[in-house]
Amino acid sequence: AQSVSQHNHHVILSEAASLELGCNYSYGGTVNLFWYVQYPGQHLQLLLKYFSGDPLVKGIKGFEAEFIKSKFSFNLRKPSVQWSDTAEYFCAVKRGGGADGLTFGKGTHLIIQP
Amino acid sequence: EADIYQTPRYLVIGTGKKITLECSQTMGHDKMYWYQQDPGMELHLIHYSYGVNSTEKGDLSSESTVSRIRTEHFPLTLESARPSHTSQYLCASRGSNEQFFGPGTRLTVL
Repeated sequence: AQSVSQHNHHVILSEAASLELGCNYSYGGTVNLFWYVQYPGQHLQLLLKYFSGDPLVKGIKGFEAEFIKSKFSFNLRKPSVQWSDTAEYFCAVKRGGGADGLTFGKGTHLIIQP
Repeated sequence: EADIYQTPRYLVIGTGKKITLECSQTMGHDKMYWYQQDPGMELHLIHYSYGVNSTEKGDLSSESTVSRIRTEHFPLTLESARPSHTSQYLCASRGSNEQFFGPGTRLTVL
């Protein structure tokens, strides 16, 4: 079965700091990878996704992620965070083997201090 | 505006009651999903559907059941709620590449 590991469960940064959230997955075949964000009191929404092609993908609000196949990683980055980036961030992998749905990591709670 | 809706948003109920969590979407998507999320934990897939009259169980064993009589509607039912069912339940639908999530129902069973 697939699994997704997010290494940092709680991250606290100051505004303008750079951000990198780690994500590793276990599946060795073709994968579709996602980062979702949940702002306080709001729905989960998609930040960015990788299906194929350029391993560096850009998403909304200045976020980007790099797919490194050899490391089974899909780390999320942002060069300069803002207070409004305070949220819960989830990495997810599209399930393979004919089954449907996403496998999620446990999430990273990011707090940005003004 | 196309969206995905869940009702109720919050539900506190006693043990043994039958409950139905509603999910509907106006995006015309065939694929729909239910996830369960305990506080501070990952989302786990409990049910999914490829379309009308299609229902499948997900990774996490659940005592809940689902039905899909109409494309836009994917309700989840617990015949007899127990405290172990206390959790957040998230509904999602999928277009070609992306899953869209509803706001969730936070269920507390006393």
